[in-house]
Amino acid sequence: QKEVEQDPGPLSVPEGAIVSLNCTYSNSAFQYFMWYRQYSRKGPELLMYTYSSGNKEDGRFTAQVDKSSKYISLFIRDSQPSDSATYLCAINWKTSGSRLTFGEGTQLTVNP
Amino acid sequence: KAGVTQTPRYLIKTRGQQVTLSCSPISGHRSVSWYQQTPGQGLQFLFEYFSETQRNKGNFPGRFSGRQFSNSRSEMNVSTLELGDSALYLCASSTSGELFFGEGSRLTVL
Repeated sequence: QKEVEQDPGPLSVPEGAIVSLNCTYSNSAFQYFMWYRQYSRKGPELLMYTYSSGNKEDGRFTAQVDKSSKYISLFIRDSQPSDSATYLCAINWKTSGSRLTFGEGTQLTVNP
Repeated sequence: KAGVTQTPRYLIKTRGQQVTLSCSPISGHRSVSWYQQTPGQGLQFLFEYFSETQRNKGNFPGRFSGRQFSNSRSEMNVSTLELGDSALYLCASSTSGELFFGEGSRLTVL
C-alpha cells in the first residue's frame, strides 16, 4: 500500500465549477500537509500548508484535513482556465525534515 | 526575493556518463533537498542537506550523491548514468517546513 494515495484523474470541469481534489494517507504519524500546483514543464508551486485538522482558506482555495480519517482535500472555488495544472498533495512528519511524501498528482483541466 | 535557481535547465547525456546539477536556494534558506520526478514514479525524495551536512537520504543507489557548500548552494551528481535516470530533477529550499521548488533540470539519458 502506498503511503499517500491520490486519484490521478484526469479531471475536466467547466469554468466556474467547484473542484474537489483528494488524498488519503496511511501513517497517522504524518503531521504536515501541503498542496502544490505544477504547470507543464515547471517546478511545483506551494499553494497551501497546514498541520492541523480543519479548514484553511486562501482566496479561492480551501485545504481541509481530517486526521481521524487520514484524508486531505483541496477545494477550488470559481475555477478558472488558469487553474489547469497538476495538483500534488504532499505529507510530512515532524522529524523527517524536508522529506516529503507526494501523491502521484491529479491532472486538472478547466474548460472556458 | 529571488526563488530557487537550478542549472542547467536541460541536458542530454549518454549511458555511462556522469552529470552534475546545481541549485541556489532562496536567500536565507539553509535546507536544500533534491527530488526526482518521473511519469511512472512521481516525485521521489533523493536527499536533504542542512548546513553542509546530509540530514536525510532517500532510497536511491550510491550513484546519486550530493553536497552543500557554505553559502547553502548545493550540487547533486549522478555517476554511470542509466536510461532510467532520465527525469526532472527538482531542488527545493526551506526554512520552516514549507518547501519551495525550482524549475528543475530535465535530464535525458540516451
